[in-house]
Amino acid sequence: NAGVTQTPKFQVLKTGQSMTLQCAQDMNHEYMSWYRQDPGMGLRLIHYSVGAGITDQGEVPNGYNVSRSTTEDFPLRLLSAAPSQTSVYFCASSYRDSRQSFFGQGTRLTVV
Amino acid sequence: AQKVTQAQTEISVVEKEDVTLDCVYETRDTTYYLFWYKQPPSGELVFLIRRNSFDEQNEISGRYSWNFQKSTSSFNFTITASQVVDSAVYFCALSEGSGGATNKLIFGTGTLLAVQP
Repeated sequence: NAGVTQTPKFQVLKTGQSMTLQCAQDMNHEYMSWYRQDPGMGLRLIHYSVGAGITDQGEVPNGYNVSRSTTEDFPLRLLSAAPSQTSVYFCASSYRDSRQSFFGQGTRLTVV
Repeated sequence: AQKVTQAQTEISVVEKEDVTLDCVYETRDTTYYLFWYKQPPSGELVFLIRRNSFDEQNEISGRYSWNFQKSTSSFNFTITASQVVDSAVYFCALSEGSGGATNKLIFGTGTLLAVQP
């Protein structure tokens, strides 16, 4: 099984550009989440979803949009990238009653 | 408000030493879950343990052990006889609610453990 797959692994954007970070899981997990990891700040929750068609905001949602049209996919959209969005982004998924979240390998995004 | 504090930013030990990573949490819920994740230099996040708020038994898994004390809101992690492969950033995390809410983790800032040969 592929688990949680994030694409791309690395990306450089110019300020103001838009892009979508892709996240796909093949474990039929209901829950999916996006986190960003910044030095000295741990991981912070951006958006999360408890199932197809249902999304909600986490701790740091500003500047990001999400949608969940299928169980498998949970893309994260940056509409107008800013240097403050330079970070490592992790997607995670889990069953509703599972013991752990499974994380993707991360996407390192640099906004110049 | 919920919060996880890992006061130790960096720890350096020599191989075979024991090391304890501290984690202190804040929550108003009576039902919550605590986690430890490991992030090796390769960058992926590796699940180590989940403990619920009703189970204060300590847990041991090989060289790893965890001490959960509700009285001090702490969930500390000890590595016995550390090895170079233990070098990583370790994150403590919290989720609230009876379902475990594994999609809404609140992470501490992490502790970088360097094990010298």
